[in-house]
Amino acid sequence: EDQVTQSPEALRLQEGESSSLNCSYTVSGLRGLFWYRQDPGKGPEFLFTLYSAGEEKEKERLKATLTKKESFLHITAPKPEDSATYLCAVQAGQAGTALIFGKGTTLSVSS
Amino acid sequence: DSGVTQTPKHLITATGQRVTLRCSPRSGDLSVYWYQQSLDQGLQFLIQYYNGEERAKGNILERFSAQQFPDLHSELNLSSLELGDSALYFCASSPGPVPGNTIYFGEGSWLTVV
Repeated sequence: EDQVTQSPEALRLQEGESSSLNCSYTVSGLRGLFWYRQDPGKGPEFLFTLYSAGEEKEKERLKATLTKKESFLHITAPKPEDSATYLCAVQAGQAGTALIFGKGTTLSVSS
Repeated sequence: DSGVTQTPKHLITATGQRVTLRCSPRSGDLSVYWYQQSLDQGLQFLIQYYNGEERAKGNILERFSAQQFPDLHSELNLSSLELGDSALYFCASSPGPVPGNTIYFGEGSWLTVV
């Protein structure tokens, strides 16, 4: 069964304190790995898509990387406005065209 | 603003009732996806329609049904509602049959069953 596990469930950082969020996956035939940001009561906002091991993408203070078993979302020098829940999702062959989501990591950045 | 419009934003109804959630996809998008988000389960895929046809089915209960109309808007019908159906229901859309990197979510419809 295709599975996506995110860790930690919650992360509290001080402003400027860099860290990483983990997304590990077990899927048959990975077709893409997605990162989304979700603010409370809002819809997920697309951040990145990664397609193959070794691929990296960056956007402002965020950098996503992918290996054959997991993905990391690195947050460099975070600011309070980076506080949100970060969701990882995979598109896998067995699941057809659906995205399978992890439960997310809730990040809180304090000043 | 993702361009995906969902109505209503909030809905409170009683157990046993039936509700309809509506979604208008982004202009030009042919695929519509429905997801359910609850505190303990995270985002769960329910169903996908592409250009009016059902394309993929996830963990959608038999009490739930959906359809996509010729103008590409979609409706999710939830019947015989139970307390456990209380959740945030999201609609998402993409241009083609596969999400790729262009799947955008609406703001969601909060359903509370009392």
